[in-house]
Amino acid sequence: LAKTTQPISMDSYEGQEVNITCSHNNIATNDYITWYQQFPSQGPRFIIQGYKTKVTNEVASLFIPADRKSSTLSLPRVSLSDTAVYYCLVGDRMDSSYKLIFGSGTRLLVRP
Amino acid sequence: SAVISQKPSRDICQRGTSLTIQCQVDSQVTMMFWYRQQPGQSLTLIATANQGSEATYESGFVIDKFPISRPNLTFSTLTVSNMSPEDSSIYLCSVAQLAGGYEQYFGPGTRLTVT
Repeated sequence: LAKTTQPISMDSYEGQEVNITCSHNNIATNDYITWYQQFPSQGPRFIIQGYKTKVTNEVASLFIPADRKSSTLSLPRVSLSDTAVYYCLVGDRMDSSYKLIFGSGTRLLVRP
Repeated sequence: SAVISQKPSRDICQRGTSLTIQCQVDSQVTMMFWYRQQPGQSLTLIATANQGSEATYESGFVIDKFPISRPNLTFSTLTVSNMSPEDSSIYLCSVAQLAGGYEQYFGPGTRLTVT
């Protein structure tokens, strides 16, 4: 069971770049790393997913070192609307059955 | 990406009663999951409900309390039985689609209050 560890909270200001790092020391060979964003009273929303090196989409970048024991979600120039909880997850493939186990997440507060 | 709807969006129920939550997906998906999220907390996986097989429950959750149906590839229900105030929570339906790795999508949730 691959667990993740990430900071409980982070503060930032509008226009700054935010980097949230997650550790997943027991990641399995076939596991992907996925990040989700959750606003209050909504279900989590898929942000980005990667296996190794760097992945970029219109919302964020994901950096994964060669050993894959950690990953960093990078949000460029955050705005107030990026205030949310961010979850780092690693696909759990126990018994050949996929499932996602959520950790505590990182509460990001973006200030004006 | 899959679009998921849930009914009801919220409900207030009396202890000892049961509530069935419906989850509808706009595309056919094999893998479906039910989560619970208590206020200010992270999500806890209740069970995996893949079409064609019995639901698999996580530790701490049992079928008698949370029976699940998965009659086809676009629909599932979760029943919260014999409710107590401790069952007050948001219940979320989720599906996974393979795209490189699996991408998982969540419904808006059902906010349940038990009095």
